[in-house]
Amino acid sequence: QAHLVESGGGVVQPGTSLRLSCTVSGLTFSTYAMHWVRQAPGKGLEWLADISSDGSKKNYADSGKGRFTISRDNGKNMVFLQMSSLRPDDTGVYYCARESVALDYWGQGALVTVSS
Amino acid sequence: DIQMTQSPSTLSASVGDRVTITCRASESISSWLAWYQQKPGKAPKLLIFKASNLENGVPSRFSGSGSGTEFTLTISSLQPDDFATYFCQQYDSYSWTFGQGTKVEIK
Repeated sequence: QAHLVESGGGVVQPGTSLRLSCTVSGLTFSTYAMHWVRQAPGKGLEWLADISSDGSKKNYADSGKGRFTISRDNGKNMVFLQMSSLRPDDTGVYYCARESVALDYWGQGALVTVSS
Repeated sequence: DIQMTQSPSTLSASVGDRVTITCRASESISSWLAWYQQKPGKAPKLLIFKASNLENGVPSRFSGSGSGTEFTLTISSLQPDDFATYFCQQYDSYSWTFGQGTKVEIK
């Protein structure tokens, strides 16, 4: 059974940076693409980025292009989301998820609050 | 980017009702569509992948259909555990997108 745990969330000021981590256990991490999805308070789901199993290919939603960077460390079973120039509308719960047939395993989410 | 439009946004129904949610894509996505269920404070749960394939462990009262630009999620007999918000998601393009969600409420 796969287990995904996000960390690194918190309260940050506008214009600053934050790195989220997602630690994965219970599956062969290096064989799966991984994704980040966020959810603003009371809103729907927004896909942010994905990274291929070997880290060679990355895709981003327009909302994060140039500000967000996804990466992974297959030796540590971790995927990261580096976020810069954060804005108040980046506030929300950030989920990591495994891509198999679709997004079949999700973490519990990390809350990021961007506020002065 | 491919836009996904769900309808209705909110649905009021009773236990035992047959419920149908529609998802439309702004361009053809073949069958690259998934459906998720989300309950308050919880992560989404995958229900259906590739438009009509039931994820392991999901009750058979859930079914999906469609291809191209029109898709439906049907719950054949609504159960108390099914009151939640449902999202469709396309994964045909490099940039994945979700529908805005359909909240299924108790009538």
